[in-house]
Order: sequence, then structure tokens, then C-alpha cells
Amino acid sequence: AIQMTQSPSSLSASVGDRVTITCRASQAIRDYLNWYQQKPGKAPKLLIYTASNLQSGVPSTFSGSRSGTDFTLTISSLQPEDFATYYCLQDYNYPPTFGGGTKVEIK
Amino acid sequence: EVQLVESGGGLVKPGGSLRLSCAASGFTFSTYSMNWVRQAPGKGLEWVSSISSSSTYIYYADSAKGRFTISRDNGKNSLFLQMNSLRAEDTAVYYCARDRQPVDYWGQGTLVTVSS
Repeated sequence: AIQMTQSPSSLSASVGDRVTITCRASQAIRDYLNWYQQKPGKAPKLLIYTASNLQSGVPSTFSGSRSGTDFTLTISSLQPEDFATYYCLQDYNYPPTFGGGTKVEIK
Repeated sequence: EVQLVESGGGLVKPGGSLRLSCAASGFTFSTYSMNWVRQAPGKGLEWVSSISSSSTYIYYADSAKGRFTISRDNGKNSLFLQMNSLRAEDTAVYYCARDRQPVDYWGQGTLVTVSS
């Protein structure tokens, strides 16, 4: 199974900060990488699909990029509603595998 | 509006069985693959099983193979997960999720607790 190594596992940031979260795949997955946001007690919400495509309705402060097997989720200006846990998911092949998650907390 | 509503969770003893259901609405259910994904308390997300739109292709995580069975009824817009031989480590919120690569919509989940 493809392993997704997500970092950091947590971070503290302030409103307005630029935040970067990374997932590294253990092998090539092309662009088959998605990013999700999850708030406590809620279902995950799709933010970015196929590495860099913004899901409809998601603010443009979110963006995704790829360099080889490294994938990055960037929040350009952190908003109060962005404090949550973020997960990457590779769906290049079975089994689909998630990163371990990044909890974004208020500094 | 896409809606996915899970049901069937609850408290079950180790070795017991449960059948989860997911009622879908707001989209053409029969044209989408579907997944079950779970999340143990305080932990990350774990994919459990997938089924293609016409049930031709079915996949399981190693943790589910031989114990769980995914199925669907396109006529009733419903997805199911039959879980047998349940273990304490199966305790989690189970989500159904729509999939057209990517997984885009998720239900709110149903809690399964395996405990004596």
C-alpha cells in the first residue's frame, strides 16, 4: 500500500498567517491527491482534488500544488473558520490511503 | 442537494455483527462508486471498502477482508456494510462517501462501539 506521510502533525498559527501542509507519497501517484478539512464532530469536506483543483465553493485562499511525490496544501491567509484538521488522500490505486492529519490550532 | 445519511450503528459485543446503511439522495446514485471510511475516536481517517456503481468491482482494506461485506441497492439508493466478527479495534465513526475520484461528499457518520 502507498504510504502518505503528512507533516506537520499539528501547528499553531494566527489569523492572517500563511500556512503550508505537506504530504509525501511513498511512490509516484501522479496527481491523484486530494485534500480534506475536518472540524470536530463533522464529516470531512473536500477542498482540493487532483493536487491543485479547487472544489466548488471553497475559498480561493486554499490552494494545492505538487512537486514529484510531494504535495502541498497552502492557506494563504488563515481565517477563523479554517482552524480544523486537514487530511490528504491518495486515490491513485487501492487501497486509498490517508495522511495522518494536521491539526491547525489558534496561536 | 447531495445527502448521505448513515444508520445502523450502536453498541455491540466483541464477536457480534452489525449492518450499516447509507441512504443517498440528491444525485444519481447508480452512477457513482461508493465507499465506507471510518475514524476511531481521536484518530485519523481509514478507508474500509469501496464498491463500483454496478457492484462489479469491490475492494476491502486488509482490516475488513473476510469480516465485512459491502453491497448496494441502486433501486433503493442505498449502500450497506455488513460487519461480522467485530473487534474492539473496529470501534469508530463509519462514514459513507460518494466517489468519482475524488471522494467528494460524505455523510455525517454512524458510531459503532464494540465493547463487552
